[in-house]
Amino acid sequence: GAGVSQSPRYKVTKRGQDVALRCDPISGHVSLYWYRQALGQGPEFLTYFNYEAQQDKSGLPNDRFSAERPEGSISTLTIQRTEQRDSAMYRCASSLDRAPDTQYFGPGTRLTVL
Amino acid sequence: LAKTTQPISMDSYEGQEVNITCSHNNIATNDYITWYQQFPSQGPRFIIQGYKTKVTNEVASLFIPADRKSSTLSLPRVSLSDTAVYYCLVGAYTGNQFYFGTGTSLTVIP
Repeated sequence: GAGVSQSPRYKVTKRGQDVALRCDPISGHVSLYWYRQALGQGPEFLTYFNYEAQQDKSGLPNDRFSAERPEGSISTLTIQRTEQRDSAMYRCASSLDRAPDTQYFGPGTRLTVL
Repeated sequence: LAKTTQPISMDSYEGQEVNITCSHNNIATNDYITWYQQFPSQGPRFIIQGYKTKVTNEVASLFIPADRKSSTLSLPRVSLSDTAVYYCLVGAYTGNQFYFGTGTSLTVIP
């Protein structure tokens, strides 16, 4: 079956623009996770959903970052007024059951802010 | 909140057993320990998960001492394709935050 998909795979934007990153989890997966990964670093937890409910958003760096999963399936991570320091790989994962069930990661979205 | 510490890098020859240890001194009662493998340009991939004692699957073993303040991932007879970064992750059903360790970059040498 299809794995986790993310779009776009690459996004280049100018500083100050808003971006929306999409994650399409594996069908039927309860939980969805967002991570950010800088080059040479481990994934940094951002936020996590069970169904449509956001469980924890304390990993979001600041109020320019937000995420939603309105119908308990597809999720969008939005970054407003992007800054160069937001440049990173943004990874989404989903799990069949609630954490700490096995997470299946998508290919990621490479965000570059100029 | 349980954070983790791992060696930054390790080298091993093909065919050797590799043991990677992760420290998690502040692990909570409900926390599970999960290891992921990541190849360049790919997302992490689940290897193994455990709560206590020993867990074994077709690719690895996980050893967890009684105090659970550390865990050791054991990879038997590594091959060149095992060259990757290995992450230790500690989290719980009742907790909502997951912190990957610094990761251990394993290089398998022919």
